[in-house]
Amino acid sequence: QKEVEQNSGPLSVPEGAIASLNCTYSDRGSQSFFWYRQYSGKSPELIMFIYSNGDKEDGRFTAQLNKASQYVSLLIRDSQPSDSATYLCAVKRVSNFGNEKLTFGTGTRLTIIP
Amino acid sequence: NAGVTQTPKFQVLKTGQSMTLQCAQDMNHNSMYWYRQDPGMGLRLIYYSASEGTTDKGEVPNGYNVSRLNKREFSLRLESAAPSQTSVYFCASSDLTDNTDTQYFGPGTRLTVL
Repeated sequence: QKEVEQNSGPLSVPEGAIASLNCTYSDRGSQSFFWYRQYSGKSPELIMFIYSNGDKEDGRFTAQLNKASQYVSLLIRDSQPSDSATYLCAVKRVSNFGNEKLTFGTGTRLTIIP
Repeated sequence: NAGVTQTPKFQVLKTGQSMTLQCAQDMNHNSMYWYRQDPGMGLRLIYYSASEGTTDKGEVPNGYNVSRLNKREFSLRLESAAPSQTSVYFCASSDLTDNTDTQYFGPGTRLTVL
């Protein structure tokens, strides 16, 4: 089982609709969860992070975390063509030695259809 | 403020050749990372440096060496390049004292080993 799993897609969503991206993780000790956006040929950039169970909203983006189900999701409301990108889920676990590393999923490719 | 810079942007090597990928950050971050990204594999951590003077292996360290030259610079060396090392390499940095612990990525180096 992969540590962080995402549906690779592609996920196609009409412009103006809600895009829903999902991620599951295997390590129950995971503490922090991140969503990165990566445009084709570019480097990843952070768009959301969440630490606590529940929802966290930032503009058109909402991150949802359910630690009991080991599940984190990203909702994009009013999807725009500029949202077309690959979305990477990343999970961080702090070890007893204080080392902090991110483990990334393989990413979901999202296409917004005008 | 350039953020994270990487050189070179592109490189073609023959099997057995060596090279060093350079990375520098001007954000005064303590931690720096080297990832490789391959289709369908996501971002995988090669090595990281939690602070100046320390380095640790990540998920896929074989065939690579690193040097944390100072707080700003973290280089990745391929001593004897192999076709399996054809990939896009990203350097990243983060500040563990930052509540978000965001990792900021450089623009990447596209390496082809023939």
